[in-house]
Amino acid sequence: QKEVEQNSGPLSVPEGAIASLNCTYSDRGSQSFFWYRQYSGKSPELIMFIYSNGDKEDGRFTAQLNKASQYVSLLIRDSQPSDSATYLCAVNQADNNAGNMLTFGGGTRLMVKP
Amino acid sequence: KAGVTQTPRYLIKTRGQQVTLSCSPISGHRSVSWYQQTPGQGLQFLFEYFSETQRNKGNFPGRFSGRQFSNSRSEMNVSTLELGDSALYLCASSLTRTSGGAAETQYFGPGTRLLVL
Repeated sequence: QKEVEQNSGPLSVPEGAIASLNCTYSDRGSQSFFWYRQYSGKSPELIMFIYSNGDKEDGRFTAQLNKASQYVSLLIRDSQPSDSATYLCAVNQADNNAGNMLTFGGGTRLMVKP
Repeated sequence: KAGVTQTPRYLIKTRGQQVTLSCSPISGHRSVSWYQQTPGQGLQFLFEYFSETQRNKGNFPGRFSGRQFSNSRSEMNVSTLELGDSALYLCASSLTRTSGGAAETQYFGPGTRLLVL
């Protein structure tokens, strides 16, 4: 069973702080990793994807991938109350990376306090 | 560009009935995937369709089926509904330029909320 694990939280940070969200996965052959944000009652919204080891930055968001240790993280700088949501880590588990078959973690609930 | 659209948005059925949900992908997107989201199990992959063929399949019983049309629109069907099928059903589309291409970013529709009584 290919698994993706996240701490369910809630992770509470003050406004303006850095929020750090972590995710581990079990399938060493995984190649594609995604972070989605989901507000209550809404569908998941893509934040970032990462394929290569290292950091990838997009605005206030930085995704970090370490394939050797099998973890993915998401950093949110200058956190805003509007960032309060559930953050879902997803790993493509399709064989040979052919197509889309995302396995999601359970999500981490982030609360940014004004 | 219009996003992924799903119909209907809400549905109430009774046990034993069947239901068909529809998904229209973003224009130009050729891959459509379906997911089930419940509070207990989270987001789980059902299946993916590309070029009218099922390319990947999750661990759901045969009561769950789908298909894709030549215009990339997709439908999923659940037969003999059970109480546990109550969930948010999400459709996601991606571009996927080639049949064996690497996974591409998926964009989700608003979902269909199904309640089975």
